[in-house]
Amino acid sequence: GAVVSQHPSRVICKSGTSVKIECRSLDFQATTMFWYRQFPKQSLMLMATSNEGSKATYEQGVEKDKFLINHASLTLSTLTVTSAHPEDSSFYICSASPSGETTNTGELFFGEGSRLTVL
Amino acid sequence: AQSVTQPDIHITVSEGASLELRCNYSYGATPYLFWYVQSPGQGLQLLLKYFSGDTLVQGIKGFEAEFKRSQSSFNLRKPSVHWSDAAEYFCAVGALGSWGKLQFGAGTQVVVTP
Repeated sequence: GAVVSQHPSRVICKSGTSVKIECRSLDFQATTMFWYRQFPKQSLMLMATSNEGSKATYEQGVEKDKFLINHASLTLSTLTVTSAHPEDSSFYICSASPSGETTNTGELFFGEGSRLTVL
Repeated sequence: AQSVTQPDIHITVSEGASLELRCNYSYGATPYLFWYVQSPGQGLQLLLKYFSGDTLVQGIKGFEAEFKRSQSSFNLRKPSVHWSDAAEYFCAVGALGSWGKLQFGAGTQVVVTP
C-alpha cells in the first residue's frame, strides 16, 4: 500500500521554542493531507486540512497561529508548533489520500506519528 | 453532527477466542464507516471500510464488520484472535468527498492473553 512518512518520530523541546514536523507521501501525490492530534489514551482529533498551494483549513478551536501548516508540494506537508508549551505535548499524526482517488478508494494512509514532548 | 461511540474502552480476550468490538454511530446521511488499528507508538492501518452494498465487509488480517443501519452499528469481529492482534482499534465515520475529515471513536484497547 501507499506509504506516508513522518519525521521526526519523537521530539523533545523546551517551552517557548518552535518545532516542525514533516509529513511526506513517499509513493504518491497528495493535494490534500490531514493533521490529527491524539492525547494519551484518547482518540484522534482532526486539527486541520492541508491543501497544496493554498491555506490550510483549521477545525474549530484549533489556533492557526499556533499550529502553522505549509503544504508546499504534492508530497510534503509540514506542521510547525510555534512557541510550544507543555500542554502542546501530544502525538501528532498526518494522513493523506492519493490525489484523484479520494472518492474511489476512500482510504487514508497514516504516518507513523510524531510524539512531541514540551518541557 | 456526526459522532462515533465505542462503548468498550478495554477488552481482554484469550488467544484463539473470538473477538467483537462494538461501534455505534450517529450521522444524518449515509455513513461511510471505517475500522483502523493502531499498534503502540504507530500510525493507523485500515482494516476495512463500508461505503455501500453488502453490509458484511471483509477486511485484512481476518477481520470482518457488519453494517446494521437499524441499529446504527458497525461492529468488528474476528473468529479467532492471535497475539499479534493486541492493539488499539478505532471506528471512524466519514462523509462522501471528505474522507480525511474522519470522526473517530474513543478506541478500544484489546489485550490478548495466552
